[in-house]
Amino acid sequence: QKEVEQDPGPLSVPEGAIVSLNCTYSNSAFQYFMWYRQYSRKGPELLMYTYSSGNKEDGRFTAQVDKSSKYISLFIRDSQPSDSATYLCAMRRAGANSKLTFGKGITLSVRP
Amino acid sequence: DSGVTQTPKHLITATGQRVTLRCSPRSGDLSVYWYQQSLDQGLQFLIQYYNGEERAKGNILERFSAQQFPDLHSELNLSSLELGDSALYFCASSPRQGANEKLFFGSGTQLSVL
Repeated sequence: QKEVEQDPGPLSVPEGAIVSLNCTYSNSAFQYFMWYRQYSRKGPELLMYTYSSGNKEDGRFTAQVDKSSKYISLFIRDSQPSDSATYLCAMRRAGANSKLTFGKGITLSVRP
Repeated sequence: DSGVTQTPKHLITATGQRVTLRCSPRSGDLSVYWYQQSLDQGLQFLIQYYNGEERAKGNILERFSAQQFPDLHSELNLSSLELGDSALYFCASSPRQGANEKLFFGSGTQLSVL
């Protein structure tokens, strides 16, 4: 079993839809949870960052972490064509030398 | 623009060859990370340097090596290249080392081994 599993997609939604992206993980030591967005031919860029359980909102984006279920989600409200990209979840344990473990990513396409 | 610079953007080479990928971190960032991205494996952590010293190793092959120089730029050396080494190689940087550090990625080097 991979440490981080992410729905493979791809996902296509109409403009204005609410998008839900999810990851599950197996390592209960993960403490820091992130969502990265990657546009075609670009490097990943940090979108949302959460420590431990709870919700975090930033504009149209909400990140949710449920450590008891080992499940994290990213919600995108009022999705726009500019949201079309690959979304990768990532997480790491505490500790200075802990590595960031990524999900494989899901490609989202928002149709105008 | 993340502030992390990677060169070259594209590299085409033959099996058995050796290549060097270069990374300049964001100004002031001491930590540099190398990742490999392929369709089947996703983003895989290779190695981390902090202020010139190796700090963490991931799934890095023995044919691969890296270093971070006094000016903090880093190089990833890939030797005896195989077809399976074709991938996107990303460098990322962060100000310090630590689990709560946020990584900033460069645009990557697309390596094609023919």
